[in-house]
Amino acid sequence: GAVVSQHPSWVICKSGTSVKIECRSLDFQATTMFWYRQFPKQSLMLMATSNEGSKATYEQGVEKDKFLINHASLTLSTLTVTSAHPEDSSFYICSAHFPPGQEYGYTFGSGTRLTVV
Amino acid sequence: AQTVTQSQPEMSVQEAETVTLSCTYDTSESDYYLFWYKQPPSRQMILVIRQEAYKQQNATENRFSVNFQKAAKSFSLKISDSQLGDAAMYFCASTINAGNMLTFGGGTRLMVKP
Repeated sequence: GAVVSQHPSWVICKSGTSVKIECRSLDFQATTMFWYRQFPKQSLMLMATSNEGSKATYEQGVEKDKFLINHASLTLSTLTVTSAHPEDSSFYICSAHFPPGQEYGYTFGSGTRLTVV
Repeated sequence: AQTVTQSQPEMSVQEAETVTLSCTYDTSESDYYLFWYKQPPSRQMILVIRQEAYKQQNATENRFSVNFQKAAKSFSLKISDSQLGDAAMYFCASTINAGNMLTFGGGTRLMVKP
């Protein structure tokens, strides 16, 4: 158990358009979802933490108006990249804690490769 | 704030041999968790092994084991009998307590030679 499904796996969009990435917890309720960004050959950098029913907490340097995060239910968190530009091209990954009852840890979505042209 | 450092950007090992990946961390907390994650070319993050800081015994998972040195704030990963499928990026990560986000090291790219 503790599977997070992330869609789409990859997306190509035109500069100036918006793209939505979804992460769903399939067999558990994820009260908290972490959103990471990963550049090629680099590590994962936390962008924001979303909590169900409340505003997301963004890391320093992350533009709140560009990266809109919504966590409207216990099984769905979304990241919308607004007015995307080529510099937003990256790999985005979501993550949630394993649910209570399991050994402490984190499960990850399969990631979304965003290319802005 | 936590920091996690992996000093080896790349490592290479011959198939069937043993390799150790290094990781050091810095935290002022006494209660924390440490993890090693594998990221193969598919880029799916896979949990390799976890260690609770309060446990003195080193964690093991089949061919994977850790050398946890709490005083030195060191958490190295040993891979025994390396296999071609072990080739991947390996990330060391820490979290100070339940509910917090993970802090990742810069990663080590492991290559396995047949």
